[in-house]
Amino acid sequence: GAGVSQSPSNKVTEKGKDVELRCDPISGHTALYWYRQSLGQGLEFLIYFQGNSAPDKSGLPSDRFSAERTGGSVSTLTIQRTQQEDSAVYLCASSFSGGSNEQFFGPGTRLTVL
Amino acid sequence: KQEVTQIPAALSVPEGENLVLNCSFTDSAIYNLQWFRQDPGKGLTSLLLIQSSQREQTSGRLNASLDKSSGRSTLYIAASQPGDSATYLCAGQAGTALIFGKGTTLSVSS
Repeated sequence: GAGVSQSPSNKVTEKGKDVELRCDPISGHTALYWYRQSLGQGLEFLIYFQGNSAPDKSGLPSDRFSAERTGGSVSTLTIQRTQQEDSAVYLCASSFSGGSNEQFFGPGTRLTVL
Repeated sequence: KQEVTQIPAALSVPEGENLVLNCSFTDSAIYNLQWFRQDPGKGLTSLLLIQSSQREQTSGRLNASLDKSSGRSTLYIAASQPGDSATYLCAGQAGTALIFGKGTTLSVSS
């Protein structure tokens, strides 16, 4: 596609429910990143996928967070047993091959946990 | 741990002014510095990428510089316009991911 796409654009859920957020990277980009933007916290790294390598999960805040990337393209970020502090905008980015390449961001998914 | 600081946090200028946004980082091992623009409720738009072998990049009215020795980058916006109003984020990369500053919110009045 022309850019990184994410769905849904908004998600409202109740505390304790599981949610799945989807990211479609730019076609041909092998690197995919998830970030989270919380009020007052700025943007923080969550997880990184590069090709078929094991993902870098060093930014995941708890074991309730997980992510998959199927076929080297689409990625799903799953948050289990959501908490109110999970409310944030979740942003996905992709780059041509990771490393020093420019990252391009999607529009984000705004998650609200009631 | 890499930290990125942006000064000022907010800036208001009249249309037509030239302005400079500042970004400083603590890790000299940084090899990328990327500037983004974020409009309210939107994602990030990449403006400029400066790689470690470069000292500056230009795109239209924007010029970004990188001084690794002093740990600083600046984004220069010439002849500002109301459409430039947005939050500008700088991000440094010294490992896998980008480390972001908290941004400078720019307001350009007509």
